[in-house]
Amino acid sequence: DIQMTQSPSSLSASVGDRVTVTCRASQSISTYLSWYQQKPGKAPKLLIYGALSLQSGVPSRFSGSGSGTDFTLTISSLQLEDFATYYCQQTYGSRTWTFGQGTKVEFK
Amino acid sequence: EVQLVESGGGLVQPGGPLRLSCAASGFTFSSYWMSWVRQAPGKGLEWVANINQDGSAESYVDSVKGRFTISRDNAKNSLYLQMNSLRAEDTAVYYCARIRMGTIYYLDYWGQGTLVTVSS
Repeated sequence: DIQMTQSPSSLSASVGDRVTVTCRASQSISTYLSWYQQKPGKAPKLLIYGALSLQSGVPSRFSGSGSGTDFTLTISSLQLEDFATYYCQQTYGSRTWTFGQGTKVEFK
Repeated sequence: EVQLVESGGGLVQPGGPLRLSCAASGFTFSSYWMSWVRQAPGKGLEWVANINQDGSAESYVDSVKGRFTISRDNAKNSLYLQMNSLRAEDTAVYYCARIRMGTIYYLDYWGQGTLVTVSS
């Protein structure tokens, strides 16, 4: 099975900061990589699909990059509403999928 | 508006069964693959199962294979997860999600989740 490793597991940041979260796959997954945002008590929300495509309605301060095994989610200027937990997910092939362990973005 | 509404969660004893349902609306349900994802209390997301449009193809995470069965009724716009031989480690919020499948696959809409607690 493909394992997904996110780093860091948590980070502290301030409003306006540039934030970067990384996700590494245990084998090449091309660009079958999505990013989700989850706030406490809520369902996850799709941010990025295909490693770099922004989901409709998601602010342009969110961006994704990478292919193969290494991927990055960047928030260019952190806003109050962005404090949440972020997950990557690989969907390589249609058989078994896996999420990263999550990165919690906290207020500094 | 796409809506996914899960139901059927609750308290169940270890070894017991439970069936979750997900009612879909706002889109042509029969045209989409669907998925179940779970989240144990205070933990991360875990993909559980996928099913294709007509129910002829399923896939599962190893930890539930042989115990859980994903199914659907396109006439009722409903997705199901039959869970048998439940264990304490199956305690989680269970989400249903719609899969977008083209050149890339991803979960574009999620329900609000239903809590399953396995305890004696």
